[in-house]
Amino acid sequence: NAGVTQTPKFRILKIGQSMTLQCTQDMNHNYMYWYRQDPGMGLKLIYYSVGAGITDKGEVPNGYNVSRSTTEDFPLRLELAAPSQTSVYFCASSYSVTGEETQYFGPGTRLLVL
Amino acid sequence: KQEVTQIPAALSVPEGENLVLNCSFTDSAIYNLQWFRQDPGKGLTSLLLIQSSQREQTSGRLNASLDKSSGRSTLYIAASQPGDSATYLCAVRNDYKLSFGAGTTVTVRA
Repeated sequence: NAGVTQTPKFRILKIGQSMTLQCTQDMNHNYMYWYRQDPGMGLKLIYYSVGAGITDKGEVPNGYNVSRSTTEDFPLRLELAAPSQTSVYFCASSYSVTGEETQYFGPGTRLLVL
Repeated sequence: KQEVTQIPAALSVPEGENLVLNCSFTDSAIYNLQWFRQDPGKGLTSLLLIQSSQREQTSGRLNASLDKSSGRSTLYIAASQPGDSATYLCAVRNDYKLSFGAGTTVTVRA
């Protein structure tokens, strides 16, 4: 049981390039999330999904896109990378959103846009 | 919009001292509150989850309290150890969303 896995661990992008951050969970969780964490700040929600085929915007969705074709995978797409997207990206999942459920986090992807 | 604040931003204590970390939030209509630990360059590990109907949760040396009406939670770590050095994040859930504080970075000196 690997939990939530993310690839790559670290990436340097040039301004204007695109890339996809991969996220996979093996816990059969319905809910998946993408967050970004800027230095000295808390995590901010980018997008979330309540199940395969269903996604919605979070607090900071501009410049990103997501898809959820399977329960396991929730990739995050960056189009036309900008320096403001330099951050650490965390994927998370949970079984439900009731009061008892915690979110499980991946190890993060560190992205540097130059 | 939910705002979560953690005070202090950083804390340094000698080994053996008790730690008190504070979290406040503006919207009391929460499902639950969680405390996470984050080690440098790592992901988040859930420490304690308090449901909105609960007043506190305990796990080993950790105890977290929740006062929903006043919008406050406190994490107590008893008899701190150097291995407790990390950043501690508070997060509150409103519907699908977790709102995070900026964290308190703790250093326990041997």
